[in-house]
Amino acid sequence: NAGVTQTPKFQVLKTGQSMTLQCAQDMNHNSMYWYRQDPGMGLRLIYYSASEGTTDKGEVPNGYNVSRLNKREFSLRLESAAPSQTSVYFCASSEALGNYGYTFGSGTRLTVV
Amino acid sequence: DQQVKQNSPSLSVQEGRISILNCDYTNSMFDYFLWYKKYPAEGPTFLISISSIKDKNEDGRFTVFLNKSAKHLSLHIVPSQPGDSAVYFCAARGRVNDYKLSFGAGTTVTVRA
Repeated sequence: NAGVTQTPKFQVLKTGQSMTLQCAQDMNHNSMYWYRQDPGMGLRLIYYSASEGTTDKGEVPNGYNVSRLNKREFSLRLESAAPSQTSVYFCASSEALGNYGYTFGSGTRLTVV
Repeated sequence: DQQVKQNSPSLSVQEGRISILNCDYTNSMFDYFLWYKKYPAEGPTFLISISSIKDKNEDGRFTVFLNKSAKHLSLHIVPSQPGDSAVYFCAARGRVNDYKLSFGAGTTVTVRA
């Protein structure tokens, strides 16, 4: 099925460990986004990529890095995980930056202990 | 500092009755407003939207109202059905945030049989 695929769906990390969350879309969208969802905070933008080859910081970029590997793939890396990064992470894509038709993946639930 | 606010974290309504979800925003530069629906273990999906040049948009059982002077929008679901039980996110887009979406904290709707 066409859409946004995120892996893994669940992950437990120890403080200080690193990991990469993967995201791929097959809709030929230009723009991709990483959000985190926390109770009472809604969805907050971590990083985004307006088009292949570009990435920019969102509201809460500290502790994260991203790579737009190609048009399809946008990964999020935690270099040294902290308990404050325990959250549900969503990847999304849209045809263009100003296009409101975001398609979301099903999320990655990350716990840092 | 959240620019999109959903002050009611939860709402319980009887099947067949009306559900009214509220959303306030702080920045008059937003030009487009959206509602997303999210089921557990799934990503948010687009529900309905409204442009800032309109004050009402209707799609089946869902109607969104926009009051620009009050910087307030609401989502009405009539009649409410058990399948409407989900988390609803309000989102806004505009020049203030380079046309990226800003989301509220969400309202959990429970429809009682």
